Amino acid sequence: DGGITQSPKYLFRKEGQNVTLSCEQNLNHDAMYWYRQDPGQGLRLIYYSQIVNDFQKGDIAEGYSVSREKKESFPLTVTSAQKNPTAFYLCASSVDGSTDTQYFGPGTRLTVL
Amino acid sequence: QKEVEQDPGPLSVPEGAIVSLNCTYSNSAFQYFMWYRQYSRKGPELLMYTYSSGNKEDGRFTAQVDKSSKYISLFIRDSQPSDSATYLCAMSGASIVAPHQGAQKLVFGQGTRLTINP
Repeated sequence: DGGITQSPKYLFRKEGQNVTLSCEQNLNHDAMYWYRQDPGQGLRLIYYSQIVNDFQKGDIAEGYSVSREKKESFPLTVTSAQKNPTAFYLCASSVDGSTDTQYFGPGTRLTVL
Repeated sequence: QKEVEQDPGPLSVPEGAIVSLNCTYSNSAFQYFMWYRQYSRKGPELLMYTYSSGNKEDGRFTAQVDKSSKYISLFIRDSQPSDSATYLCAMSGASIVAPHQGAQKLVFGQGTRLTINP
């Protein structure tokens, strides 16, 4: 059963703490993406990766970091430098970076207390 | 001005009505157009995909692209309560982000929240 999984579904963090969101895919896709969704603002691209050990900043990368050590995994770390981290985070993947169709995971809701 | 504009709604219609959802855009380089459906607290799922101008039909859903007007639409016929969701338009051009790598950056509209009333 192929797909994208994100964990946890809900995450709570105290101010000043770093937190890592998990994203795993078993679709054998080369490209993976992280988006942030806020009410009324649609989806904004944080980071993307077209291939293992390579990733690029998106539109709102400040305060975030990623790694891509394995093809199936693309974890996102929300650091204490991110000023307003409370949001819905979505991971997506596509066959390769030149393919326009992206498939999304179920999302992680991060709340900073 | 945003690259992609979408009326956030909310839009509420009775069951069985024809629904029209729209997006306008400003970047003439966009060639690929998508509609995603997102249920509350879930990830978006791809509903329709079209390339360049024209119509595409899939069951009760029809996607239209008018590149000359920079306007795309999604029509839902015989709407059902299960169609209640947020609908996001998305679009991309050829290698907007990194031409040498072929990276595709999707630009999303805000999403329109749709409710179908039984």
